[in-house]
Amino acid sequence: QVPLVQSGAVVKKPGASVKVSCKASGFIFTSYGISWVRQAPGQGLEWIGWISAYNGNTEYAQKLQGRVTMTTDTSTTTAYMEMRSLTSDDTAIYYCARAGDALDMWGQGTMVTVSS
Amino acid sequence: EIVMTQSPATLSVSPGERVTLSCRASQDISSHLAWYQQKPGQAPRLLIYGASTRATGISARFSGSGSGTEFTLTISSLQSEDFAVYYCHQYNYWPRGTFGQGTKVEI
Repeated sequence: QVPLVQSGAVVKKPGASVKVSCKASGFIFTSYGISWVRQAPGQGLEWIGWISAYNGNTEYAQKLQGRVTMTTDTSTTTAYMEMRSLTSDDTAIYYCARAGDALDMWGQGTMVTVSS
Repeated sequence: EIVMTQSPATLSVSPGERVTLSCRASQDISSHLAWYQQKPGQAPRLLIYGASTRATGISARFSGSGSGTEFTLTISSLQSEDFAVYYCHQYNYWPRGTFGQGTKVEI
């Protein structure tokens, strides 16, 4: 059983929004937070933000404040990351990761391509 | 923002060699440092957290050390499956964090 399973790859036009899901299983969802990290093609890792699955508290990277919203659905043990006003700079693989002992479990990644 | 600097950017080594990767923080982060391994086409995998604690299932050939601003990841005897990119990650203001730019370990 894969602990974190993400939604599939998407292509979006500039200015559009995207919502990526991250289905958790095999652990007590509400005992952890979920962080989101992205990786542009050929580049390193960038922390996007975090949400507590216990109470919904969030922390976002300052550069993305106002464009990103993270939510959870405890009934389906799923975390979501929505990003608005997409530009080509947002083209990346988006990962969810369990925030336990550091980022101790990772989803398989979701490729988001922003292209006209 | 805390800036993490890894060195070297690329390390060319042979199987069986001992490898040391470095990571420096722009300010004191105590022991709030993790190391991840990433292979092509895969998600990162946690190796070390708390600067020196191996994650579940990680081989004892991986070890981490350091505190404050200077950290190292050592691979005692490089195996073929260890060729990958390694990232350090500071989480001194958990859950916020920043990553180093990575060190590629290649043949």
